[in-house]
Amino acid sequence: EPEVTQTPSHQVTQMGQEVILRCVPISNHLYFYWYRQILGQKVEFLVSFYNNEISEKSEIFDDQFSVERPDGSNFTLKIRSTKLEDSAMYFCASSQTSGITGELFFGEGSRLTVL
Amino acid sequence: SQQGEEDPQALSIQEGENATMNCSYKTSINNLQWYRQNSGRGLVHLILIRSNEREKHSGRLRVTLDTSKKSSSLLITASRAADTASYFCATDGGNQGGKLIFGQGTELSVKP
Repeated sequence: EPEVTQTPSHQVTQMGQEVILRCVPISNHLYFYWYRQILGQKVEFLVSFYNNEISEKSEIFDDQFSVERPDGSNFTLKIRSTKLEDSAMYFCASSQTSGITGELFFGEGSRLTVL
Repeated sequence: SQQGEEDPQALSIQEGENATMNCSYKTSINNLQWYRQNSGRGLVHLILIRSNEREKHSGRLRVTLDTSKKSSSLLITASRAADTASYFCATDGGNQGGKLIFGQGTELSVKP
């Protein structure tokens, strides 16, 4: 069964360092998302991406964050200068459609620890 | 205000019993979805119910939706130890863009 894959599964970084989290969405999906989950808290929307551009972003997704689809398969989330509060599990998701039929398929997540 | 509040926050039952989790939300919706998350893992889609539907079944899962009360419930019948996980409801907030708004989740523990 097709799945969303994410790398790395766990990354430890120093505050102020740049981090890139990578995702390979399901191949025939057109909509891509990043969500995050701080330990013990709910899953929060960061950004959605469609047709090579951001379609929506949350207030969390500030200038320190960026997303890119550098080729036909990868979808990346970059955090330019990490802060302690960026420590969380980051989930990539993809969907074939949006709107009323929008089931999302999530990856297993990348755990980011900022020291 | 938060969209998608589940209750209870934690539920512990014996194998074979039924588990009911509730979710309330605040805005209009096109659909409401339930997801499952095993500890430290990704979210797995369980079921989607549209705003014009009142009840939906999938295997041992039964979801109801009451748009007048802005609430939904997830019933897992004949629970198994393998059902132990966190369960989240998620709404689209009435948007078409695919963004989901998740609740805090119910942590279900099924004891063998």
